[in-house]
Amino acid sequence: QSALTQPASVSGSPGHSITISCTGSSSDIGGYDYVSWYQHHPGKAPKLLIYEVSNRPSGVSSRFSGSKSHNTASLTISGLQAEDEAHYYCTSFTRGTTNLIFGGGTKLTV
Amino acid sequence: EVQLLESGGGVVQPGESLTLSCAAYGFDFSNYAMSWVRQAPGKGLEWVSVVSGSGSATHYADSVQGRFTISRDNSKNTLYLQMHSLRVEDTAVFYCAKERVLDYDSWSAYLGYDSWGQGTLVTVSS
Repeated sequence: QSALTQPASVSGSPGHSITISCTGSSSDIGGYDYVSWYQHHPGKAPKLLIYEVSNRPSGVSSRFSGSKSHNTASLTISGLQAEDEAHYYCTSFTRGTTNLIFGGGTKLTV
Repeated sequence: EVQLLESGGGVVQPGESLTLSCAAYGFDFSNYAMSWVRQAPGKGLEWVSVVSGSGSATHYADSVQGRFTISRDNSKNTLYLQMHSLRVEDTAVFYCAKERVLDYDSWSAYLGYDSWGQGTLVTVSS
């Protein structure tokens, strides 16, 4: 299984919004509403931001939102803050025993 | 508060073995499937292995199948990863992760990992 496709890097200015895409296929993103997004600061534990495409766990800022259209999922971060600078990863359900596939990760520079 | 604390990382030579541990606190450990996820230097996250809450079901990435063994001791709230025949390409930070949804007999990582450890570094080098 190939990884989901994410842009290697994106950048944005404080206060602005950015969107990170995550592209798969009908066997994963397009076929199921099981996309998650994680934020990862180097040297720290990854953090779940979004699950099941658009749901935020308790405690996650409403500045983070998720959506999906066909085979592409998106993470939007509004009101960019310096602390948002991190790597972001998407995952999706995929057919097969493993049933989980990761994106390659996107480095966000604020 | 949920806490996951990995340990056991270190420097080993190719072909050697190492066992990682992940001590879990703050939740009903036996009711949740647990995974190991790794990040090689300069690379993204890679799922490695999963074990069901009961410990009866396991699964591995192709890259580690036959070399790594995941297990858990629910009486000690601890997850393990035994790694044999280590290769240079196994060099990575290894994270343990807790699934968001209860799953005693299987796993559902696609529903999200809501807690992760800080990671433990494994370096395989001659």
